[in-house]
Amino acid sequence: DSGVTQTPKHLITATGQRVTLRCSPRSGDLSVYWYQQSLDQGLQFLIQYYNGEERAKGNILERFSAQQFPDLHSELNLSSLELGDSALYFCASSVSFTSGSRDTQYFGPGTRLTVL
Amino acid sequence: AQTVTQSQPEMSVQEAETVTLSCTYDTSESDYYLFWYKQPPSRQMILVIRQEAYKQQNATENRFSVNFQKAAKSFSLKISDSQLGDAAMYFCAYRSLLNFNKFYFGSGTKLNVKP
Repeated sequence: DSGVTQTPKHLITATGQRVTLRCSPRSGDLSVYWYQQSLDQGLQFLIQYYNGEERAKGNILERFSAQQFPDLHSELNLSSLELGDSALYFCASSVSFTSGSRDTQYFGPGTRLTVL
Repeated sequence: AQTVTQSQPEMSVQEAETVTLSCTYDTSESDYYLFWYKQPPSRQMILVIRQEAYKQQNATENRFSVNFQKAAKSFSLKISDSQLGDAAMYFCAYRSLLNFNKFYFGSGTKLNVKP
């Protein structure tokens, strides 16, 4: 158990719908990362937050958005869903954003999204 | 931008034998972190081992060890005494300490362990 929690575990929805994925980082971790993993593929970095602020953006579609709240949990919002959005969405957390910090990323169990 | 390359999409090893997974990366940074993550069929991402670039000594964690060649930008993972539970996808990852601490992942190597 990494200490990172994600809800829900599974989500099945229809095209055109909107969903929200939730992540709670490990206790004390300030940074949250979101990744998308399509079937049999590698991890695609989506976005990173540190202490409530967006710090880095990767291959995140405009239909997707995220935020990190004062209690440090994060939500990833996916809208106007398409079949190709079906994937495993991981959240990971780490301790510090600051350059020179020697921390590791710990992953949650993921949310499996199926768009029908 | 940094890139991480795993040139072996799939490998097989006999139980109890040793296997080495390859990873190369491209960077102009002098200090960074490297990781190997394991993803079993449960799809959970599990940290296997990490290496600080400023350390010359190769990291080891029980049956797992790395061969870190900084000049060659190579970071291979050696699994000794392979077990059935080692069967998984293995991802190599690079962590930048300059570029907002972004992580870059390789495409993964699927390891099969034969009984």
